Amino acid sequence: QQQVKQSPQSLIVQKGGISIINCAYENTAFDYFPWYQQFPGKGPALLIAIRPDVSEKKEGRFTISFNKSAKQFSLHIMDSQPGDSATYFCAASKGGNNRKLIWGLGTSLAVNP
Amino acid sequence: EAQVTQNPRYLITVTGKKLTVTCSQNMNHEYMSWYRQDPGLGLRQIYYSMNVEVTDKGDVPEGYKVSRKEKRNFPLILESPSPNQTSLYFCASSPGSPGNTIYFGEGSWLTVV
Repeated sequence: QQQVKQSPQSLIVQKGGISIINCAYENTAFDYFPWYQQFPGKGPALLIAIRPDVSEKKEGRFTISFNKSAKQFSLHIMDSQPGDSATYFCAASKGGNNRKLIWGLGTSLAVNP
Repeated sequence: EAQVTQNPRYLITVTGKKLTVTCSQNMNHEYMSWYRQDPGLGLRQIYYSMNVEVTDKGDVPEGYKVSRKEKRNFPLILESPSPNQTSLYFCASSPGSPGNTIYFGEGSWLTVV
């Protein structure tokens, strides 16, 4: 049973456009929501993370929006660049517990020049 | 440089021939884990370890063994590999406290024929 549902599976965006990846979770006890970015041939790396005490967190062109009532969170990439082409994973856990991090299945993003 | 190093990066082996994938981290992290990544299935945790001599099963432990005799090393052992263990494997580590970044190795491509 997948507890974190990520969509879309793949996404193609033009350079300069906005990329949006959505995740929905089921367990209301989750309180830590990281996003990991994976380039081809590399391991995933933490991109940005949010806790439910805020509705939005921004780091450069990357923003997490969090909707606690809808049990959804999303990653927005503004002014998308070809260098952003990667696979993005959302995840969730209770208490920031990395042992029990529940992963989405990933979104493959391609940004066309 | 802080890193998680795993070897080999690429391996083709035959069914039933025991193999070990080594993993070492230089960040003095308490937590280490192994994941496998398969198309359409995302990242699935195989085993994890919270500290020396403390290991536990993840979501897909069947056919794998691990050990944690030293804090920095966490080898993954396939006693009798089968073709369904053909996958991309990642070792990861993080500090033991909640909400910390997980650092991934660069991956090991394993093919079992």
